[in-house]
Amino acid sequence: GESVGLHLPTLSVQEGDNSIINCAYSNSASDYFIWYKQESGKGPQFIIDIRSNMDKRQGQRVTVLLNKTVKHLSLQIAATQPGDSAVYFCADIPSGGGADGLTFGKGTHLIIQP
Amino acid sequence: DSGVTQTPKHLITATGQRVTLRCSPRSGDLSVYWYQQSLDQGLQFLIQYYNGEERAKGNILERFSAQQFPDLHSELNLSSLELGDSALYFCASSPRWVAGYEQYFGPGTRLTVT
Repeated sequence: GESVGLHLPTLSVQEGDNSIINCAYSNSASDYFIWYKQESGKGPQFIIDIRSNMDKRQGQRVTVLLNKTVKHLSLQIAATQPGDSAVYFCADIPSGGGADGLTFGKGTHLIIQP
Repeated sequence: DSGVTQTPKHLITATGQRVTLRCSPRSGDLSVYWYQQSLDQGLQFLIQYYNGEERAKGNILERFSAQQFPDLHSELNLSSLELGDSALYFCASSPRWVAGYEQYFGPGTRLTVT
């Protein structure tokens, strides 16, 4: 269901700075969380995922943090580059996989300033 | 390139008409998902097929239908089109049968209803 929401519709950061995109969820049975990136004119692209039994997961320049106590998820992008400019979506899946496909929030538009 | 292909890229049609959107999943993926993305509703899950069978249903209108063929490609049929059906339609594929896990999105079909 509509359990996923993003805190800010737009985030503007300077090139080279770190970006933090936040997401809140309401379903305590959520078992799995995914971040997607959608560049203008393209389909969403998988970035990173994390299971509910983890607090942190790192990828290449990206880190996802999960705080189950406050039902909060964040995506951190290190040394933001112009190519990171996109809309970022989080999605959650309840234990068992869910019967409703992926439920996305509206997204946060990350704008990179030179 | 996700490996998922969608045709056509753009489609312009009139109200009341019927269109068919086509999707070819990544090689080896058995699951196909359809999503609708509009400015005011964000990315909405419509329906999922797994190996030819309907697996999960989301916010799909009765005027819309889909199927997955033996070669695993899928078609989304939209009929009695209304202006509000104008949107981007994405197809995604996944090797898993459980809805919601890591999905690979195609480039989308932009439908404009006039």
